[in-house]
Amino acid sequence: ETGVTQTPRHLVMGMTNKKSLKCEQHLGHNAMYWYKQSAKKPLELMFVYNFKEQTENNSVPSRFSPECPNSSHLFLHLHTLQPEDSALYLCASSQGTGDFDTQYFGPGTRLTVL
Amino acid sequence: QKEVEQNSGPLSVPEGAIASLNCTYSDRGSQSFFWYRQYSGKSPELIMFIYSNGDKEDGRFTAQLNKASQYVSLLIRDSQPSDSATYLCAVNKYSSASKIIFGSGTRLSIRP
Repeated sequence: ETGVTQTPRHLVMGMTNKKSLKCEQHLGHNAMYWYKQSAKKPLELMFVYNFKEQTENNSVPSRFSPECPNSSHLFLHLHTLQPEDSALYLCASSQGTGDFDTQYFGPGTRLTVL
Repeated sequence: QKEVEQNSGPLSVPEGAIASLNCTYSDRGSQSFFWYRQYSGKSPELIMFIYSNGDKEDGRFTAQLNKASQYVSLLIRDSQPSDSATYLCAVNKYSSASKIIFGSGTRLSIRP
């Protein structure tokens, strides 16, 4: 596989469920990101990891819990979500977190919370 | 004021014409600027990046940057129906090297 992959591509969950989103990058990058994209709203940065260390948490509610075991894998653990959390969740990676590092996106996970 | 502003559109352009997409940003310290294309239901795909004032050309696409005016644009020459998509302008945030701020996007429609 190449680029950035995400699984699952679609997820429907109840408000009491616990689920996890997975992201894997095959680009040899050191930084990984989670974004949320809701209808009619700009992409919102959620978390940034650089060399497995979290460097940015953009005031994300604790019901979203990221995990980065190594530079190639990133997870987003979900629990007790709300219907307004329904959105497209995008993972991205970049070589580093410098001003000129370009981010490349995975295909996204379409999440629906019932 | 939004950090990155784009006209939401839709912008309708006839096939074969030039499509012009515009973006303004508020952070004077921003150093890097990106254009992504996003088809409906898909993830953003990088089209171009630009760091220096002036024009940067890549095939049918030209990015233009004017840091003094805090303005970046994307021109698409010889527009094709396959160019119909939402175009996202993204700007790095000077105070946080890892943070890129995205605009809401401009929806472009190329009419045959």
